[in-house]
Amino acid sequence: GENVEQHPSTLSVQEGDSAVIKCTYSDSASNYFPWYKQELGKRPQLIIDIRSNVGEKKDQRIAVTLNKTAKHFSLHITETQPEDSAVYFCAASGNTPLVFGKGTRLSVIA
Amino acid sequence: NAGVTQTPKFRVLKTGQSMTLLCAQDMNHEYMYWYRQDPGMGLRLIHYSVGEGTTAKGEVPDGYNVSRLKKQNFLLGLESAAPSQTSVYFCASSPTGSHNQPQHFGDGTRLSIL
Repeated sequence: GENVEQHPSTLSVQEGDSAVIKCTYSDSASNYFPWYKQELGKRPQLIIDIRSNVGEKKDQRIAVTLNKTAKHFSLHITETQPEDSAVYFCAASGNTPLVFGKGTRLSVIA
Repeated sequence: NAGVTQTPKFRVLKTGQSMTLLCAQDMNHEYMYWYRQDPGMGLRLIHYSVGEGTTAKGEVPDGYNVSRLKKQNFLLGLESAAPSQTSVYFCASSPTGSHNQPQHFGDGTRLSIL
């Protein structure tokens, strides 16, 4: 089955800097790659997703890139703000349910 | 429009007791999922359902049972609770068609087994 690896597990950045979180997946049939943000004590919430027919997608300060050949995808957050501090999860799915990475705890230091 | 509602929000059980967690969604979604979240482990799929009357096993199904008698409700049961089942449980739903749709999560149930 699918296996999703996520790195790093923790990330600290200064406010205003960029943050990058990377994920790799194992199943070449996977074609949907969402990213979820979970604030402390809250539910996971979708922030952006990308499908296999697209190489990059942007939404304001957030972007996701996908390299199907290498089986990896990345989340990029620019001009980080304190409210970006949270745990971020990547996930992948094809014909089977989503498999999540173990998460990255992002801390934005003011 | 409440979205996905989980009941209860907190519960403490003794080893061997049983209980049922309820998930209700008002978005007419076909697909529903139960996850458990443990520190450093991400979200792991317990069971899922692709429609009323259908259920399937996920990654960590042992010790749990589920039922989807009504489209809007997905129940997760623990027949004989064990300390290893102490976790935060999340329910999610997504529209029909495939697993490749955004999932909407409930607020979670924090369950402690003593």
